[in-house]
Amino acid sequence: EVQLVESGGGLVQPGRSMKLSCAASGFTFSNYGMAWVRQAPTKGLEWVATISYDGSSTYYRDSVKGRFTISRDNAKSTLYLQMNSLRSEDTATYYCTRDRKNYFDYWGQGVMVTVSS
Amino acid sequence: DVVLTQTPPTLSATIGQSVSISCRSSQSLLHSNGNTYLHWLLQRPGQSPQLLIYLVSRLESGVPNRFSGSGSGTDFTLKISGVEAEDLGVYYCVQGTHAPWTFGGGTKLELK
Repeated sequence: EVQLVESGGGLVQPGRSMKLSCAASGFTFSNYGMAWVRQAPTKGLEWVATISYDGSSTYYRDSVKGRFTISRDNAKSTLYLQMNSLRSEDTATYYCTRDRKNYFDYWGQGVMVTVSS
Repeated sequence: DVVLTQTPPTLSATIGQSVSISCRSSQSLLHSNGNTYLHWLLQRPGQSPQLLIYLVSRLESGVPNRFSGSGSGTDFTLKISGVEAEDLGVYYCVQGTHAPWTFGGGTKLELK
């Protein structure tokens, strides 16, 4: 059974950093691209970043470029999102999702990030 | 960025009723490789999204066949043939043809 379990969220002050993790199991992690998608409270879904199966290619939405870094450790079957210079508008539930050739087929339960002083 | 417009924003249905949700794109979602990367998700209350339909009309494994997708170019439709209680939640269309990925605003399916 495919499982994606996010961790690392919580309350953080504006301008500070936070790192999210997503532990994957139930499939060969190194064969799949992965992505982060977020959802602000009571809002819709917003793609954040994608990383290729081997980590050689990364893509970001404009609003997080230069502040967020997506990475992966295939030996540990873990996906990461390093978030720096956090803003209030980054407040959201962050979902880890598997990219099966241009569609997201499995989603984690999500982790909440609140950026507030 | 590609804008996906979903209608209606809210849908009230009785159990057993058939309903349709529209997703209209600001530009064609036909990729140069011949695929159309338009997919449908369902987010039940308090849960994470789940994939229902991918590549316009392909049913994800384990999804009941009362769900079906159709469309091409810029106009797409998700149909539920006989709503069941477990179908309640918010439906999203999502496109992966043009970077960045974008989602529709969602359609909330409620019980009448």
